[in-house]
Amino acid sequence: DTGVSQDPRHKITKRGQNVTFRCDPISEHNRLYWYRQTLGQGPEFLTYFQNEAQLEKSRLLSDRFSAERPKGSFSTLEIQRTEQGDSAMYLCASSSQGKRTDTQYFGPGTRLTVL
Amino acid sequence: GQQVMQIPQYQHVQEGEDFTTYCNSSTTLSNIQWYKQRPGGHPVFLIQLVKSGEVKKQKRLTFQFGEEKKNSSLHITATQTTDVGTYFCAEGSTGGFKTIFGAGTRLFVKA
Repeated sequence: DTGVSQDPRHKITKRGQNVTFRCDPISEHNRLYWYRQTLGQGPEFLTYFQNEAQLEKSRLLSDRFSAERPKGSFSTLEIQRTEQGDSAMYLCASSSQGKRTDTQYFGPGTRLTVL
Repeated sequence: GQQVMQIPQYQHVQEGEDFTTYCNSSTTLSNIQWYKQRPGGHPVFLIQLVKSGEVKKQKRLTFQFGEEKKNSSLHITATQTTDVGTYFCAEGSTGGFKTIFGAGTRLFVKA
């Protein structure tokens, strides 16, 4: 257990529905990342927060995806009008600014299945 | 854009044999990170290399960063069944925002 928690762990939804995932980072970490991982691939960067500011967003991310970190603590990732291609593991990671090595601690992930 | 390629995609070894995975880039890497992901688990950070030609060791694991900072390797000596999993290399962009992962090398160890 790295201290990063994600909820829910599994989500099954029908195509066209909206889904929201939550990530609680390690409490003293001000950096938070979202990734998507499909079978046989490495994690794919989606977006990055430093405190409450969203500083980078992948160009691969369509307008159907949005992420927030309103108080600089937990974060939510929402996918609107889900498509079957959105089925994947969604991983959250956090790290602490100021250290030379940006060690990212990953949560257990939320596995999304879109029917 | 940024891309890191990993080879091999899979490796089957007998317990006790050595294992090496390679990470290559067509462009100079600012740094290289290595992660391990056990089956059904999440990536776990192993190490970060920053300097040209850098070599770091963690018990049976040896990590190397190429002189031109375009490649890296992870070598495991005398593999054990606990080494099973997928090993990813990743480049963290300058400033530590976007991290680009390779596709990983999946290691199978037969007892």
